[in-house]
Amino acid sequence: DVKVTQSSRYLVKRTGEKVFLECVQDMDHENMFWYRQDPGLGLRLIYFSYDVKMKEKGDIPEGYSVSREKKERFSLILESASTNQTSMYLCASRSGQAYYEQYFGPGTRLTVT
Amino acid sequence: SQQGEEDPQALSIQEGENATMNCSYKTSINNLQWYRQNSGRGLVHLILIRSNEREKHSGRLRVTLDTSKKSSSLLITASRAADTASYFCATRMSGGGADGLTFGKGTHLIIQP
Repeated sequence: DVKVTQSSRYLVKRTGEKVFLECVQDMDHENMFWYRQDPGLGLRLIYFSYDVKMKEKGDIPEGYSVSREKKERFSLILESASTNQTSMYLCASRSGQAYYEQYFGPGTRLTVT
Repeated sequence: SQQGEEDPQALSIQEGENATMNCSYKTSINNLQWYRQNSGRGLVHLILIRSNEREKHSGRLRVTLDTSKKSSSLLITASRAADTASYFCATRMSGGGADGLTFGKGTHLIIQP
């Protein structure tokens, strides 16, 4: 059974803190993605990676960075958390073929106070 | 920028009835996918239809695609209470660009028992 896991379901951080969100997939997928989901805005792509150590900006990369040191792990980093980064963060992975679906993790609900 | 837009935003029907949701998009696509999200959880892939396909079935799901109108519909037949969820269409654009999916804002479906 395919699986994408995220390190935390709920996270509360203070403004200015450095925040790490971890995502691990066990399907040997080449592609991994980070989205954020906000009411009324739907899902928006932050960053994606198509291979180890490779990364590409999505639609809203500002304020975020990513790291992919191993194929199975994709980390999202908030260098200095701000209240407008309070959101649901969803990680996904996909095989190399464009016609394949994405598999999502359960999400991390981050609150920045 | 938002590519897909679902319609209606919310839909409430009686158990056993059919539910139809629509999705419109703006640019040429490689494929269109539908996902389901139960409250506070990650997304689950339902069905993928390629740009050269017009209709696809999977169990109680039927998806149509009209590329001339840039629209798709998802039909759920004989609805069940467990179908209560938010449904998102997602497109992968043809011709390059960010490799992640572009999601609509979703249709929230409520099945009344």
